[in-house]
Amino acid sequence: NAGVTQTPKFQVLKTGQSMTLQCAQDMNHNSMYWYRQDPGMGLRLIYYSASEGTTDKGEVPNGYNVSRLNKREFSLRLESAAPSQTSVYFCASSEAHPYEQYFGPGTRLTVT
Amino acid sequence: GQQLNQSPQSMFIQEGEDVSMNCTSSSIFNTWLWYKQEPGEGPVLLIALYKAGELTSNGRLTAQFGITRKDSFLNISASIPSDVGIYFCAGQLISGTYKYIFGTGTRLKVLA
Repeated sequence: NAGVTQTPKFQVLKTGQSMTLQCAQDMNHNSMYWYRQDPGMGLRLIYYSASEGTTDKGEVPNGYNVSRLNKREFSLRLESAAPSQTSVYFCASSEAHPYEQYFGPGTRLTVT
Repeated sequence: GQQLNQSPQSMFIQEGEDVSMNCTSSSIFNTWLWYKQEPGEGPVLLIALYKAGELTSNGRLTAQFGITRKDSFLNISASIPSDVGIYFCAGQLISGTYKYIFGTGTRLKVLA
């Protein structure tokens, strides 16, 4: 089992460019998440998907969109990247109760 | 919003020493998770705690769910060089949901 995989591992964008971060899990989990990690701050939830076909905003959703493509895959899209979106992005998945979250290796994004 | 205070922020210890760290908050939590993150990697789940007062071990790691439900503690016994990394806690705010608050981490450095 690979667990949670993310692509790409690194990305550099110019302001205004768009891109999609990909995430897939092979643990048959229903719930998937996108977080961002910034220096000196705890992980912050961007979007959440309780199950295939549903998505909900988290703490910091502005500037992002998501798609739950199927049970395995959950993508995060930046339509017009801004320097404030420079961060490390983590995808996670969990089964319902007790919602223990398992993380992918991360995507390190720099927006110049 | 709710915050998790994690301390210490960083620590240097000698190989073989025991380590203690904690997370505290003014909020009550239903589940506590402890993660370890190594440079360039995603967080790895170490221990999950579900009940106030619960004490759970994973090898040399022991974590406790505080009786007040507002804090949690992680101890590492007989530290070794591979313990290096950032340890952070996550508290589940609402039982039966995905809503976790993440601490900012304790950076552990082990001197051989």
